[in-house]
Amino acid sequence: AQSVTQLGSHVSVSEGALVLLRCNYSSSVPPYLFWYVQYPNQGLQLLLKYTTGATLVKGINGFEAEFKKSETSFHLTKPSAHMSDAAEYFCAVSVSAGNMLTFGGGTRLMVKP
Amino acid sequence: DAGVIQSPRHEVTEMGQEVTLRCKPISGHDYLFWYRQTMMRGLELLIYFNNNVPIDDSGMPEDRFSAKMPNASFSTLKIQPSEPRDSAVYFCASSLRGTSEQYFGPGTRLTVT
Repeated sequence: AQSVTQLGSHVSVSEGALVLLRCNYSSSVPPYLFWYVQYPNQGLQLLLKYTTGATLVKGINGFEAEFKKSETSFHLTKPSAHMSDAAEYFCAVSVSAGNMLTFGGGTRLMVKP
Repeated sequence: DAGVIQSPRHEVTEMGQEVTLRCKPISGHDYLFWYRQTMMRGLELLIYFNNNVPIDDSGMPEDRFSAKMPNASFSTLKIQPSEPRDSAVYFCASSLRGTSEQYFGPGTRLTVT
């Protein structure tokens, strides 16, 4: 069975600062990895995904994540935070196409002016 | 495409009443997922369907919950009788065979008093 751990349920950064949201996973087979964002009172929206190929994945809104197999990590970064990035972010893992996603507990990102 | 459509967006009901939540997946998607989100338990997978057939319902909390998918464009999640602890946001998501990315609806916020 797979699992996902997001370190830090709340992260606060200043506007313009680096955003780093941490995600570690466990999986017995090569995983598919995802980051989703949830704005208040909305559903989850896909930010980016890793399935195969290049380990550095770029997503929407300037976010990117790097798959590091040796560290079983898939951390999400953005060089410069914007106020509009304030939201909850979820990391998720799947073991095959079409299969269920296992979500982490989420990290709430706060951006200070 | 209109995306995943859920109705109603908000539901307030009294304990003991029957509640029916509805979902229309993205046209052509053959996987459909029902999730529940609460502050205490985070995002939980309740059940998912493939080609209208329930594949895994191990997340359904108890017999008061039931889900159906009578055709490829419609699914329902029913709670009977409802209890205050069922208060949560319920999300429906769909995905396409051969991919793992799920597309979420806006959710139904259920309040049971």
